[in-house]
Amino acid sequence: DIVMTQTPLSSPVTLGQPASISCRSSQSLVHSDGNTYLTWLQQRPGQPPRLLIYTVSNRFSGVPDRFSGSGAGTDFTLKISRVEAEDVGLYYCMQVTQTPYTFGQGTKLEIK
Amino acid sequence: QVHLVESGGGVVQPGRSLRLSCVVSGFTFSTYAMHWLREAPGKGLEWVAVISYDGRKKFYADSVKGRFTISRDNSKNTVYLQMNDLRVEDTAIYYCAKDCCSGQEGWGPGNWGQGTLVTVSS
Repeated sequence: DIVMTQTPLSSPVTLGQPASISCRSSQSLVHSDGNTYLTWLQQRPGQPPRLLIYTVSNRFSGVPDRFSGSGAGTDFTLKISRVEAEDVGLYYCMQVTQTPYTFGQGTKLEIK
Repeated sequence: QVHLVESGGGVVQPGRSLRLSCVVSGFTFSTYAMHWLREAPGKGLEWVAVISYDGRKKFYADSVKGRFTISRDNSKNTVYLQMNDLRVEDTAIYYCAKDCCSGQEGWGPGNWGQGTLVTVSS
């Protein structure tokens, strides 16, 4: 199985400042079809998860453009350009390249 | 508007069975892959299973393979998760999710339901 490792596990940030979360996979996420199926999800407290980014850098419907994804191969990054109060919660990377699909441990974003 | 509603959760003894249902609306169900995922208390997210748009392809997490079965009825806009031989470690909130983009194995869980709680306890 592909192991997904996120850093940091906790990220205190100041409102209006940028934030960044890294995700590394134990093997390349490039699929035989040429796509890289790396997603990012957000889970606000008490709510179900929500898809933010799919295939590394594509924002899902309704996701603000302050969220962006980048990376290739085994190293990926989620960036929030200016953190807002509603961004507090857990962030997960998830690989959908090879079954069984697997998640990172989660990164807790909190306001300083 | 995409809407997913899970049901069928509850308290069950180890070794028993339970069937979860997820009724969807707001999109053409028969053209999208569907996922089941779960969140155990105090733990992170775990992907459980995916089924292709036509039900021909099914994939499972190692932890549930041979015990859980995903299926769908496109005439009823419903996806199911049959859970047999339940274990204490299967205790979790179970979510169904529409794949964001594809009818095949999937590109990622896009829209999620609110979840249904399954508690396995003697």
